[in-house]
Amino acid sequence: GQQLNQSPQSMFIQEGEDVSMNCTSSSIFNTWLWYKQEPGEGPVLLIALYKAGELTSNGRLTAQFGITRKDSFLNISASIPSDVGIYFCAGRAGGTSYGKLTFGQGTILTVHP
Amino acid sequence: GAVVSQHPSRVICKSGTSVKIECRSLDFQATTMFWYRQFPKQSLMLMATSNEGSKATYEQGVEKDKFLINHASLTLSTLTVTSAHPEDSSFYICSAPGRSGELFFGEGSRLTVL
Repeated sequence: GQQLNQSPQSMFIQEGEDVSMNCTSSSIFNTWLWYKQEPGEGPVLLIALYKAGELTSNGRLTAQFGITRKDSFLNISASIPSDVGIYFCAGRAGGTSYGKLTFGQGTILTVHP
Repeated sequence: GAVVSQHPSRVICKSGTSVKIECRSLDFQATTMFWYRQFPKQSLMLMATSNEGSKATYEQGVEKDKFLINHASLTLSTLTVTSAHPEDSSFYICSAPGRSGELFFGEGSRLTVL
């Protein structure tokens, strides 16, 4: 089956630093999504990417759909304490918008004030 | 984005009882919803796809008689954990797809079976 490798598994950074995390897949995806999950809550959609090479920003967050369609990265600039949480990438290989998502293992982000 | 709501957010039950979790799409219709299970510090594991008007599709290894799914309307799907046991304790999350294929998740339901 499809596999997503997300790295790093965890990050401990100082407030104000930039953060970068990425996901690579064993197969081609046509959709990449990035989510943030806080303790005891469901994941919240941060950025959705639909075309190879697409670069999209949402405030301090920027994500790109890799040109090979097998990878994506998420950058967070000037991190703040409320950025703490688990970040998940998710990809879809199917041709329909209702195809199943494959999730990465998550990146646990800790921001020290 | 679209809003998906789950209820209850937390439930504690005795072993052997059944628990129902509701998932509603509040501002859009969803012919398909997805149910996930998540263990602490792990990723989301897809359990089943809930289909309005037809049977749910279960992932390999998920017992359909244990986890009953009913997609009663275009805005409501329910997951019933039957004869719950402590090993069923987990965080259950539902989701529904938006128009562009993105998934919107509910708040999650924490089940604790004593």
